[in-house]
Amino acid sequence: EPEVTQTPSHQVTQMGQEVILRCVPISNHLYFYWYRQILGQKVEFLVSFYNNEISEKSEIFDDQFSVERPDGSNFTLKIRSTKLEDSAMYFCASSEDSQQSAEQFFGPGTRLTVL
Amino acid sequence: GQNIDQPTEMTATEGAIVQINCTYQTSGFNGLFWYQQHAGEAPTFLSYNVLDGLEEKGRFSSFLSRSKGYSYLLLKELQMKDSASYLCAVRAPNDMRFGAGTRLTVKP
Repeated sequence: EPEVTQTPSHQVTQMGQEVILRCVPISNHLYFYWYRQILGQKVEFLVSFYNNEISEKSEIFDDQFSVERPDGSNFTLKIRSTKLEDSAMYFCASSEDSQQSAEQFFGPGTRLTVL
Repeated sequence: GQNIDQPTEMTATEGAIVQINCTYQTSGFNGLFWYQQHAGEAPTFLSYNVLDGLEEKGRFSSFLSRSKGYSYLLLKELQMKDSASYLCAVRAPNDMRFGAGTRLTVKP
């Protein structure tokens, strides 16, 4: 069964460093998403992406975040200058279409630890 | 403000039925999702409601009342593997807002 994959599973970085989290969405999906979940807290929407541009973004997704689809398979989230409060699990998701009802398939997540 | 409220924890017995409630107040509404999340894992999709009424899918059903800002997830014939967190999420313009989740423990 096709699945979303994410690498690395765990990333440790120093405060102020840049990190890139990678995702490979399901191959025939066209819509991509990033979420984060701080330990013990709610899942929070960050951004959605379609046709090489951002469709929607939340108030969390400020200038230190960016997303890119550098090739036909990868979808990345970059955090330019990490802060302690960026420590969280980051989930990538993809869906086949943009309908509001479209089921989003989540990847296993990357745990980011900022020291 | 924008709120999605659900009970923090629930306990039920294997084979029983449990109802997990969710109330919401959001700016805009494009549908409500229920997700299951086992500890340390990603959320998995259970259901979607955008119109009032009940949607049934095997052992799981989800109900929506838009006028009341209310939904519930009904799980029947509970199994031990149903022990997980259940997340209510509302789709709104530029947002998908999640509740904190209800941790369900199924006991033998």
